[in-house]
Amino acid sequence: GAGVSQSPSNKVTEKGKDVELRCDPISGHTALYWYRQSLGQGLEFLIYFQGNSAPDKSGLPSDRFSAERTGGSVSTLTIQRTQQEDSAVYLCASRYPTGGLYGYTFGSGTRLTVV
Amino acid sequence: DQQVKQNSPSLSVQEGRISILNCDYTNSMFDYFLWYKKYPAEGPTFLISISSIKDKNEDGRFTVFLNKSAKHLSLHIVPSQPGDSAVYFCAAIIPSGNTPLVFGKGTRLSVIA
Repeated sequence: GAGVSQSPSNKVTEKGKDVELRCDPISGHTALYWYRQSLGQGLEFLIYFQGNSAPDKSGLPSDRFSAERTGGSVSTLTIQRTQQEDSAVYLCASRYPTGGLYGYTFGSGTRLTVV
Repeated sequence: DQQVKQNSPSLSVQEGRISILNCDYTNSMFDYFLWYKKYPAEGPTFLISISSIKDKNEDGRFTVFLNKSAKHLSLHIVPSQPGDSAVYFCAAIIPSGNTPLVFGKGTRLSVIA
């Protein structure tokens, strides 16, 4: 596709349930990032994939959060045993290697609400 | 700890006037700075950037100023238009560090017609 696609666009889940959020990056973009925006907060870095290198997981807030990227393309962010504080907009971005530092292209995000 | 700080959560400006959005950073290793604009229900989009070797970068109605000694940058929009109403995020990065962009909390700009 022409842009970064995220699904679902909205997700309401009960506390304690697991959720999976999906990101389809732009074809050929080897770098993929997950951020989240909680109410009143900025864009908080979660995890970063670059090609075949080990991902940078330094931003994951707890071990309930994990992400994988299959075949260097689609990425799934999984949140286990969701809590109310996990409610946020989860944004995915991808970047072409020579796309420059301004080359991040963001998806529209998944709005997660934990009730 | 917030390495990139946008201390004004919101700003309201009359159409045609200048909008000034401010950003401060704490990490002296940051070497490249960017502004992103975000409309509701959309992802952030790149607006303008500046390298630390410059103190000003201009693109149409948008100008970014960098004061490296003060660890401060600002985005000027002139003249402001109603379509500029959005949330503006300041971001910083260490280009050689293979690290992701670090964002501030954003400033919501409202341009009043």
